[in-house]
Amino acid sequence: DIQMTQSPSTLSASVGDRVTITCRVSQSVSLWLAWYQQRPGKAPKLLIHKASTLQSGVPSRFSGSGSGTEFTLTISSLQPEDFATYYCQQYSGFSLYTFGPGTRLEIK
Amino acid sequence: QVQLVESGGGVVHPGRSLRLSCAASGFTFSTYVMVWVRQAPGKGLEWVALITPDGSIKSYGDSVKGRFTVSRDNSKDTLYLHMDSLRPEDTAVYFCARVDEPWTSISAALYWGPGTLVTVSS
Repeated sequence: DIQMTQSPSTLSASVGDRVTITCRVSQSVSLWLAWYQQRPGKAPKLLIHKASTLQSGVPSRFSGSGSGTEFTLTISSLQPEDFATYYCQQYSGFSLYTFGPGTRLEIK
Repeated sequence: QVQLVESGGGVVHPGRSLRLSCAASGFTFSTYVMVWVRQAPGKGLEWVALITPDGSIKSYGDSVKGRFTVSRDNSKDTLYLHMDSLRPEDTAVYFCARVDEPWTSISAALYWGPGTLVTVSS
């Protein structure tokens, strides 16, 4: 089974900060990695797919990079609405859909 | 616009069964892979099941394999999750989701329903 880790598990930051979240996968998933944002009580929202492709309508302050087993999500200048939990997910095949444990981004 | 609405959640005793439904609209349902994802209270997201557009291929997360069955009725634009032998650890909000691109499973989940809560408790 593919294992996924995210770091940090919690991140404290201020409005305007640049933050980076890292996702590591136990085996290569090529570029088949997505990032989601989830606010409390809501469904997840797709931010980035194929490691670095910004989903339509998502602000350009969000960006993704990486390939293989290590990926990053960067928010260039935090806005108040960005404080949420972020999940990475690999989707490299029929039986290979896995989410990372999540990173909670909180206001410092 | 794309809409997904789950139903069928509720409180159920351990060992019993429950069927969830996900009504889809706003797109050609029969051309998309559909997935179920769950989230236990205060916990992260867990992939539960996936089904191909024609229903010929189904796959499951390890924690539900052998107990849950995913199916779809393309004539009714509806996705189902039949859950047997429910355990307290199955307590979660269950989301249905549609992947981004048609005809492929190698696609992220773009559209999500609001979720339905399943509570397994005696």
